[in-house]
Amino acid sequence: GAVVSQHPSRVICKSGTSVKIECRSLDFQATTMFWYRQFPKQSLMLMATSNEGSKATYEQGVEKDKFLINHASLTLSTLTVTSAHPEDSSFYICSASHRSGGEQYFGPGTRLTVT
Amino acid sequence: AQSVTQLDSQVPVFEEAPVELRCNYSSSVSVYLFWYVQYPNQGLQLLLKYLSGSTLVKGINGFEAEFNKSQTSFHLRKPSVHISDTAEYFCAVSGPSGNTPLVFGKGTRLSVIA
Repeated sequence: GAVVSQHPSRVICKSGTSVKIECRSLDFQATTMFWYRQFPKQSLMLMATSNEGSKATYEQGVEKDKFLINHASLTLSTLTVTSAHPEDSSFYICSASHRSGGEQYFGPGTRLTVT
Repeated sequence: AQSVTQLDSQVPVFEEAPVELRCNYSSSVSVYLFWYVQYPNQGLQLLLKYLSGSTLVKGINGFEAEFNKSQTSFHLRKPSVHISDTAEYFCAVSGPSGNTPLVFGKGTRLSVIA
């Protein structure tokens, strides 16, 4: 149990376009989802926290107008990178937790390459 | 605020030798502690977690970790490593709720040498 999926696993897009990444909890209801970003050979950095039905809370330095997060249901959150630039190229990982707390379940990640 | 320090960025070790990956944390509240493993171009896989109870936690793939509150440490150990254990290992801490994000250490690259 507690499986989280991400789609797509890999995406290449042109500079200036927008890309949407989906994060789904497959067998549980995720009251909270988190979006992380990982640069090569570095740790995961939290971008934002989203609670179902509420606006996401962004970490300092993360542009909320550039990284749009929607958590419309208890099983789906989306991250849209708007007007992508090469410096947005990274590995994006989501995680989800449910009411009982304590543990987050991670998706397999999405590799974004902006050319 | 919470923080995690992984003292070693890289740890090379020979196959079948024991290994310890060190992790120290700081927090003003009670915490949950985790170790994750990440293989190249993949997401994170949970190795083990400490939420409460026994301070010695056993995880998957023969790994274990010991929570030491007085030393604010949560070191990961394995008595005999395999080539397949070569990966990046992350220690993480969160507050006592599923709604608090994880704070990760910078990671330790474990390289197992044949």
